[in-house]
Amino acid sequence: AQKVTQAQTEISVVEKEDVTLDCVYETRDTTYYLFWYKQPPSGELVFLIRRNSFDEQNEISGRYSWNFQKSTSSFNFTITASQVVDSAVYFCALSGPNDYKLSFGAGTTVTVRA
Amino acid sequence: DGGITQSPKYLFRKEGQNVTLSCEQNLNHDAMYWYRQDPGQGLRLIYYSQIVNDFQKGDIAEGYSVSREKKESFPLTVTSAQKNPTAFYLCASTIPGYNYGYTFGSGTRLTVV
Repeated sequence: AQKVTQAQTEISVVEKEDVTLDCVYETRDTTYYLFWYKQPPSGELVFLIRRNSFDEQNEISGRYSWNFQKSTSSFNFTITASQVVDSAVYFCALSGPNDYKLSFGAGTTVTVRA
Repeated sequence: DGGITQSPKYLFRKEGQNVTLSCEQNLNHDAMYWYRQDPGQGLRLIYYSQIVNDFQKGDIAEGYSVSREKKESFPLTVTSAQKNPTAFYLCASTIPGYNYGYTFGSGTRLTVV
């Protein structure tokens, strides 16, 4: 069975602060895929990143960065110099090699105050 | 532009009524999914379909039904057997075999009145 845990329910920061969202996963598959999605107040989920289990390189995209550590089964997401537009719910998700169903964490609500 | 269209955006249902949520995609994706979102619980899978005329139950299929008569369309019916239907419903699609993740629609918020 697959499981994704996002222990932080809500995070509130002041603009320009960095914020890190934790994601811990459980799976028996040796090949799997991890994702992060952003859900702004409009409701639609926006894809941020996909990472397969064989690629442990960290990734940076603008103010976003991701730290994937198989040893601790974690795939953490950091927003650097946060902005009000970053306010959203962020979901971590996991899928297996041949099963394209995504298992989602409960989500972390990020509020960035001006 | 390609994408997924969900309608209506807001839907109100009386007790005992069946309602159908629409999901249409023009991405030529084979696989389509329905998720339910409740506060603090993330997204839970209701039904999914990987090819036309075939679909499988997800984790919380009771009280729901679907059909997949066309590749582009995957409507979800919330039946009167669903005891707590008030939620936000999201439709998604993907190309099986590539694990690219999903493209999501903008969702339908269903409220029982």
